[in-house]
Amino acid sequence: DTGVSQNPRHKITKRGQNVTFRCDPISEHNRLYWYRQTLGQGPEFLTYFQNEAQLEKSRLLSDRFSAERPKGSFSTLEIQRTEQGDSAMYLCASSLNTGADTQYFGPGTRLTVL
Amino acid sequence: ILNVEQSPQSLHVQEGDSTNFTCSFPSSNFYALHWYRWETAKSPEALFVMTLNGDEKKKGRISATLNTKEGYSYLYIKGSQPEDSATYLCAFRSGDQKVTFGIGTKLQVIP
Repeated sequence: DTGVSQNPRHKITKRGQNVTFRCDPISEHNRLYWYRQTLGQGPEFLTYFQNEAQLEKSRLLSDRFSAERPKGSFSTLEIQRTEQGDSAMYLCASSLNTGADTQYFGPGTRLTVL
Repeated sequence: ILNVEQSPQSLHVQEGDSTNFTCSFPSSNFYALHWYRWETAKSPEALFVMTLNGDEKKKGRISATLNTKEGYSYLYIKGSQPEDSATYLCAFRSGDQKVTFGIGTKLQVIP
């Protein structure tokens, strides 16, 4: 396994359109996290899954955002009716949920909303 | 909202110099402190995870210390090399498993 992968790497969309990103975690990892990072900030937690269960959602995650992990493997993050303020890097990470639970990150999807 | 601060925000050092950065975090409800290195156009890479007060970890020329009672961690780089240029992020994990990242220290090593 080569690590966490994310697709697409870049997405440019017009305001009001819907977008969906995909994250494939490291295969034996049961936890999967989504973060958003904007310029000059550290990654901000959005949500995480343990297997297929979504255990926590940040208040940053408005009702236009939805995430799924249907079979406990890959996950999708959908943003409906995108706004310019959604422009950011969306990072996915996975972990084994053991000990201190080190997270392994994907390369991110950079979203630009015009 | 938990306050995790990193200083300095950016740093330029000459090749061969040693340097260090600070991460400060809440001293209560501590579970773990993570350090990551994030190079441009790459994924954040895990450097260290520290859980016990007084922990010291080392990986090559990079080391880190942890003081959970006063809420800080130092990351040290000995003999900086151009390939050390990256943003160094710390992340505080609280007892309820919430993870809060700092904004990072951007290091540039000048050859």
